Amino acid sequence: EIVLTQSPTTMAASPGEKVTLTCRASSSVSYMHWYQQRSGASPKLWIYETSKLASGVPNRFSGSGSGTSYSLTINSMETEDAATYYCQQGSSYPLTFGSGTKLEIK
Amino acid sequence: EVQLVESGGGLVQPGRSLKLSCAASGFTFSNYYMAWVRQAPKKGLEWVATISTSGSRTYYPDSVKGRFTISRDNAKSSLYLQMNSLKSEDTATYYCARHTMGITFDYWGQGVMVTVSS
Repeated sequence: EIVLTQSPTTMAASPGEKVTLTCRASSSVSYMHWYQQRSGASPKLWIYETSKLASGVPNRFSGSGSGTSYSLTINSMETEDAATYYCQQGSSYPLTFGSGTKLEIK
Repeated sequence: EVQLVESGGGLVQPGRSLKLSCAASGFTFSNYYMAWVRQAPKKGLEWVATISTSGSRTYYPDSVKGRFTISRDNAKSSLYLQMNSLKSEDTATYYCARHTMGITFDYWGQGVMVTVSS
């Protein structure tokens, strides 16, 4: 099983601040996918195949990485970006998610 | 507009069974893999099951293998999850998700709560 480790677990950012969330895989994966889950809501696909933005995702978001190290970056934090972000690998079964990074607004 | 609407959740005693349903609309259901993903209270996401377009292939993690069965009815655009021998650790919100190419979960339902308790 591929274990995904996200860091930090929780963080707070000020409006306009640049934010980087990381996800490390225990074995190499082909791509990483990211989901956003706001409080009380269902998850939404946010970034797929490492760097492609899902429909409707603002272009202040970006994704990068390869092998075992991936990241999600917000170029300029906005209030609406406060949420929990999960990474997910689809390279091998069992499919696994990271434990999430809770991003709060300062 | 893609819509996924789950039903069938509730309170069930340990060891008993429950069947969840998911009604899909807004896309050609038979063309997509489908999946169930769960989230225990205040916890992260856990993949539970995936089914191929025809239903001929199914996939499960060890935590539910042998107890849960995913199925689909393409004529009714419906997805199901039969859960047997339920345990307290199965308590969670269960989401139906479209599992595009068996890789990403690109649409999610609103979720249905399952509570396993005596």
